[in-house]
Amino acid sequence: QKEVEQNSGPLSVPEGAIASLNCTYSDRGSQSFFWYRQYSGKSPELIMFIYSNGDKEDGRFTAQLNKASQYVSLLIRDSQPSDSATYLCAVKSSGGSYIPTFGRGTSLIVHP
Amino acid sequence: GAVVSQHPSRVICKSGTSVKIECRSLDFQATTMFWYRQFPKKSLMLMATSNEGSKATYEQGVEKDKFLINHASLTLSTLTVTSAHPEDSSFYICSARGTDREGTEAFFGQGTRLTVV
Repeated sequence: QKEVEQNSGPLSVPEGAIASLNCTYSDRGSQSFFWYRQYSGKSPELIMFIYSNGDKEDGRFTAQLNKASQYVSLLIRDSQPSDSATYLCAVKSSGGSYIPTFGRGTSLIVHP
Repeated sequence: GAVVSQHPSRVICKSGTSVKIECRSLDFQATTMFWYRQFPKKSLMLMATSNEGSKATYEQGVEKDKFLINHASLTLSTLTVTSAHPEDSSFYICSARGTDREGTEAFFGQGTRLTVV
C-alpha cells in the first residue's frame, strides 16, 4: 500500500514568515512529487513539481526533495494571508501509473 | 497548464435521482480521464479511469453500476451518479491525460460539489 503522510495541521504562521510544509511517502520507487494548493470549496491547483533530489525554487515557493529519507517539503517565503489554504502532497511511482497518491493535506493559516 | 472544465460546479438533488457530471478537455485531446472523489477534510481518492471508446476501470470499492462513466469522445467524459443517496454527497473532480501532451493529468477541473438531500 503506497502511503503519503502529511500533518493535517493547522499550521499557523504570521504574515511575512516562512511556512514549512512536510510530506513523507512510503514507496521508494516514487519518481515524481507534486504540491497542490486547495482553497475551501475549490479543486486543487498545481503549485510545483519536483523530480530530482535537492531544491527547486519558483517565486516564493521552494520544493525540497530527499529521496533517501523519502521526504518532500514545500517552503513558502514571505507568507501572505492569501496563502491560507490546504496544501496537498502527491507522489507518483515509477510503475507506469499516471495517477499520483495524495496525502490528506496540511491546513495553513497565515494571520496578519 | 492544461485546461479541463467540469460542469456543473454545484448540484443539489433528491435522494434516489441521478446526476450527470461532465468533464471536458478544452485545449487538448484526452484519451484518458480520471475521476476523483474528495470527502471533507480527506484526501483525493481515485474512483475510476475512463478511456475513450472503451469501458472504464474502477478502483476497488467503487460500484461501477452506481457510478456510470462514459468517455465517448476525446474531449468529453461523463460521470453519472445513479440513484444518489446522501452518502454520495461529496466533491467530484476530474483530470485528463492528453494524447500529445505530457503531464496534463496533473491539472484538475473545477470540481463538482454534489449534495444529495
